[in-house]
Amino acid sequence: QQPVQSPQAVILREGEDAVINCSSSKALYSVHWYRQKHGEAPVFLMILLKGGEQKGHEKISASFNEKKQQSSLYLTASQLSYSGTYFCGTWNNRLAFGKGNQVVVIP
Amino acid sequence: DGGITQSPKYLFRKEGQNVTLSCEQNLNHDAMYWYRQDPGQGLRLIYYSQIVNDFQKGDIAEGYSVSREKKESFPLTVTSAQKNPTAFYLCASSIGLLSNQPQHFGDGTRLSIL
Repeated sequence: QQPVQSPQAVILREGEDAVINCSSSKALYSVHWYRQKHGEAPVFLMILLKGGEQKGHEKISASFNEKKQQSSLYLTASQLSYSGTYFCGTWNNRLAFGKGNQVVVIP
Repeated sequence: DGGITQSPKYLFRKEGQNVTLSCEQNLNHDAMYWYRQDPGQGLRLIYYSQIVNDFQKGDIAEGYSVSREKKESFPLTVTSAQKNPTAFYLCASSIGLLSNQPQHFGDGTRLSIL
């Protein structure tokens, strides 16, 4: 079942912070995060496993709350290069992707 | 450099025609996947394969077929039964079908109807 991502779109200025969320109605074994720029392939950012861990990629970090069946991605001190669509994938025998969070960082 | 190669980049299909999208990987990955991407819909799984000579239907397999005769190759055929084939198709691979393994994507094929 497809996870739900929110908000659908975020516009922020360079240097600002943002949080995007991914939630599922099913129990999760792991959550994957990918970023896709327009017309390009999705690029892997990080995987979070059960245990409430946090991970980071550049100044992008994420948390995974398995009890709440949700993950959040934190964009800290955003850069122009952070623009793109962020997809979460939730694992339950196989990966199911959400519809994405569109992030636009402006100067 | 290791990676996934999809071809062609753009493809046009006539009514009633079958077309085949190529996907080749040299990452020595066992698992391969095909996704369809429509605007605002995210990535939807068409077919996946854990190992050579084995593949499983995903969420939207109707109108598509695949084969996995070689570890490196996982071609997707869009048949005439797929009534709305216009989309961006992405091929991916991973070491195995495991929750802790990232998927690596090709650059995609954009299919349109003539």
